[in-house]
Amino acid sequence: GIQVEQSPPDLILQEGANSTLRCNFSDSVNNLQWFHQNPWGQLINLFYIPSGTKQNGRLSATTVATERYSLLYISSSQTTDSGVYFCAVDPGGSYIPTFGRGTSLIVHP
Amino acid sequence: NAGVTQTPKFRVLKTGQSMTLLCAQDMNHEYMYWYRQDPGMGLRLIHYSVGEGTTAKGEVPDGYNVSRLKKQNFLLGLESAAPSQTSVYFCASRLAGAAKTQYFGPGTRLLVL
Repeated sequence: GIQVEQSPPDLILQEGANSTLRCNFSDSVNNLQWFHQNPWGQLINLFYIPSGTKQNGRLSATTVATERYSLLYISSSQTTDSGVYFCAVDPGGSYIPTFGRGTSLIVHP
Repeated sequence: NAGVTQTPKFRVLKTGQSMTLLCAQDMNHEYMYWYRQDPGMGLRLIHYSVGEGTTAKGEVPDGYNVSRLKKQNFLLGLESAAPSQTSVYFCASRLAGAAKTQYFGPGTRLLVL
């Protein structure tokens, strides 16, 4: 099956710093989502982005499908950004998302 | 609009006991999924359903059964719980077709002693 790798596995920032999270995938995909799992365990969809660039406030994401990677940018990080960020991809022809193992982010005040 | 709800939120079982986890969604979604989350493993798909009356196996189906008798509900059963099934279980749903966002429930924390 498709392989999804996220990097870095762990990230520690000071409030106000910027960061880039990466998601690499091993095959063509027809969907890509970024999720944030907050410290209470709730999973929230951040972006649906199979290609191109999207922005939502301090967060933006870019997917380069031809090169099989996606990037999630967090600018001016806040303590509420802490949690785990997951990338999930639907392999071509499938609507069954495969998740990466996530990037754990801690933002210190 | 409650979204995706899961029952119960937390449960402790003894080895060999059975239980059913209930997932309900009020968004008229066709697709529903059950995942388990273990430390450092991300989310792994147990079973999924693409419509009422249909189910299919995911990556880690052993020891679990599912049923989708109604479109809005997706049940996950453990017939004989084992300590290896200690995990956090998440249900998710989405509309059919491409380009659709997946919505998750709040999770069920299960401890098998």
